[in-house]
Amino acid sequence: NAGVTQTPKFQVLKTGQSMTLQCAQDMNHNSMYWYRQDPGMGLRLIYYSASEGTTDKGEVPNGYNVSRLNKREFSLRLESAAPSQTSVYFCASRPGQGYEQYFGPGTRLTVT
Amino acid sequence: QKEVEQNSGPLSVPEGAIASLNCTYSDRVSQSFFWYRQYSGKSPELIMSIYSNGDKEDGRFTAQLNKASQYVSLLIRDSQPSDSATYLCAVPLRTGNQFYFGTGTSLTVIP
Repeated sequence: NAGVTQTPKFQVLKTGQSMTLQCAQDMNHNSMYWYRQDPGMGLRLIYYSASEGTTDKGEVPNGYNVSRLNKREFSLRLESAAPSQTSVYFCASRPGQGYEQYFGPGTRLTVT
Repeated sequence: QKEVEQNSGPLSVPEGAIASLNCTYSDRVSQSFFWYRQYSGKSPELIMSIYSNGDKEDGRFTAQLNKASQYVSLLIRDSQPSDSATYLCAVPLRTGNQFYFGTGTSLTVIP
């Protein structure tokens, strides 16, 4: 089992460029999540998908879109990157309610 | 009031001592609570979960939950330098799907 995988590991974008962060899990989990982590701010939820076919906004959704492509994959898209989106992005998955989340290794994104 | 609050630290303890990390939460109906450890530059990893009032022990780690006081803590006995990390408290919202994380407590164990 690879667990939760994320690509790319590092990315540098210029302001206004777009990109998609990919996340996949091989644990047959129902729920998937995207977080960003900034110094002093902890983990903040961007979007989540409680089950295949559903997505919902989290705490900081502005500037992002998501797609739950199938049960395994959950992607995060930045349509027009801004310097404020410089952060470390973590994807996580979870079997269901009452259970813990499992995190991917993260993507370090810099927007110049 | 934030949904989950932790002292950001930093907390320093000598090797072999007990480290005590605290977390308070605002949602009275929360049913499950999780402690994650995050090493610098790495992703969070689960170290403890607790669902019932009282203590839960796993090796050198003990989680304590007091739902009446809306308080959950993590004790690390016989602290080791390898325990130096940031510890995150996580509490699902009443819907059960979303998690709120505290900002984390930075722990340094001094050899």
